[in-house]
Amino acid sequence: ETGVTQTPRHLVMGMTNKKSLKCEQHLGHNAMYWYKQSAKKPLELMFVYNFKEQTENNSVPSRFSPECPNSSHLFLHLHTLQPEDSALYLCASSQGRLSSYNEQFFGPGTRLTVL
Amino acid sequence: EDKVVQSPLSLVVHEGDTVTLNCSYEVTNFRSLLWYKQEKKAPTFLFMLTSSGIEKKSGRLSSILDKKELFSILNITATQTGDSAVYLCAVVAEGNEKLTFGTGTRLTIIP
Repeated sequence: ETGVTQTPRHLVMGMTNKKSLKCEQHLGHNAMYWYKQSAKKPLELMFVYNFKEQTENNSVPSRFSPECPNSSHLFLHLHTLQPEDSALYLCASSQGRLSSYNEQFFGPGTRLTVL
Repeated sequence: EDKVVQSPLSLVVHEGDTVTLNCSYEVTNFRSLLWYKQEKKAPTFLFMLTSSGIEKKSGRLSSILDKKELFSILNITATQTGDSAVYLCAVVAEGNEKLTFGTGTRLTIIP
């Protein structure tokens, strides 16, 4: 596989469920990101990992818990979500720091619906 | 707080028309501006602009940045139905490892 892959592509869960989103990049990049895309709102950054270390947490509620075991894999663990958390969750990766003129490559996203 | 505003929010044109999409921004210590095309799910990278007045071009698409007036435009000539998508603009600030996105322009090309 090439590029950035995400699984599952669609997820429906109840508010009491625990689930995880998975992202894998096959580009040899060092940085990985989670974004949330809600209807009619800009893409919102959630978390940034650089060389497996979390470098940014954009005031995300604790019911979202990221995990980055290595530079190629990124997880988003979900627990006790609310209906307003329903959105498209996009993973991205970049070769290095964005401030060093590296572009981000996005995965296809996971469409999450919380009932 | 960094801010990106795109206009128009949506645009419907006929195949063959030329369109111009706008992106204005407010950011402390600007580093770069990026354009993405989002058709169904994954935004795909189009251009990165860092210097004023230098046009980036790829086929029928082109983009230019004005750092003095804090905006960028994305031009698409001879539009095709495959150009229908949401076009996203984002900026990167120095020392800030994130993209700040606008809400996007939804472009619809009518055959």
